[in-house]
Amino acid sequence: AQSVSQHNHHVILSEAASLELGCNYSYGGTVNLFWYVQYPGQHLQLLLKYFSGDPLVKGIKGFEAEFIKSKFSFNLRKPSVQWSDTAEYFCAVMENQAGTALIFGKGTTLSVSS
Amino acid sequence: EAQVTQNPRYLITVTGKKLTVTCSQNMNHEYMSWYRQDPGLGLRQIYYSMNVEVTDKGDVPEGYKVSRKEKRNFPLILESPSPNQTSLYFCASSKIGLAGSNTGELFFGEGSRLTVL
Repeated sequence: AQSVSQHNHHVILSEAASLELGCNYSYGGTVNLFWYVQYPGQHLQLLLKYFSGDPLVKGIKGFEAEFIKSKFSFNLRKPSVQWSDTAEYFCAVMENQAGTALIFGKGTTLSVSS
Repeated sequence: EAQVTQNPRYLITVTGKKLTVTCSQNMNHEYMSWYRQDPGLGLRQIYYSMNVEVTDKGDVPEGYKVSRKEKRNFPLILESPSPNQTSLYFCASSKIGLAGSNTGELFFGEGSRLTVL
């Protein structure tokens, strides 16, 4: 079964620091990749997605992610975090042939101090 | 406004008392799914539905039932709740893409926090 690993359980940063959250998946075939964000007390929202094409994708609020096929990775980055980025971040993978389930990682909690 | 609506948002119940969590979406999405979110475990899929009258099990279906009689509604039924079903539940929906598969761009409801005593 496919799995998604997020390397960091909890990341603590100061405002203006750079962010990189790791995500690796196990499926060897073609996949669609996503990052979702869950702000405190809210539901999950799509942050960015990769289906095909340019492996560097840009999402909302200055986030970007890079798909590295050889490493089965889809790491999330932001050059300068803000206090409002405090949230839980979930990487998710879907086998685009099956398309029945989005497999989520266990999530990374980001705490940004002002 | 496009949204996925879940009810109730909060519920405390006792073991064995049947309950239903409703989910409704107004985006005409074919695909709907239920997830549970538990600390340290992330989101795990309970059931999903590709369209009306088409449902299938996810990763953790035990103790749950679903139905999809109408496109907009996808209720989650706990016939005999147990304490291990205490969790935060999310309903989600998405369009079906041209390839006939879920696009993966899920719209989530606000969540239903269930406590089973």
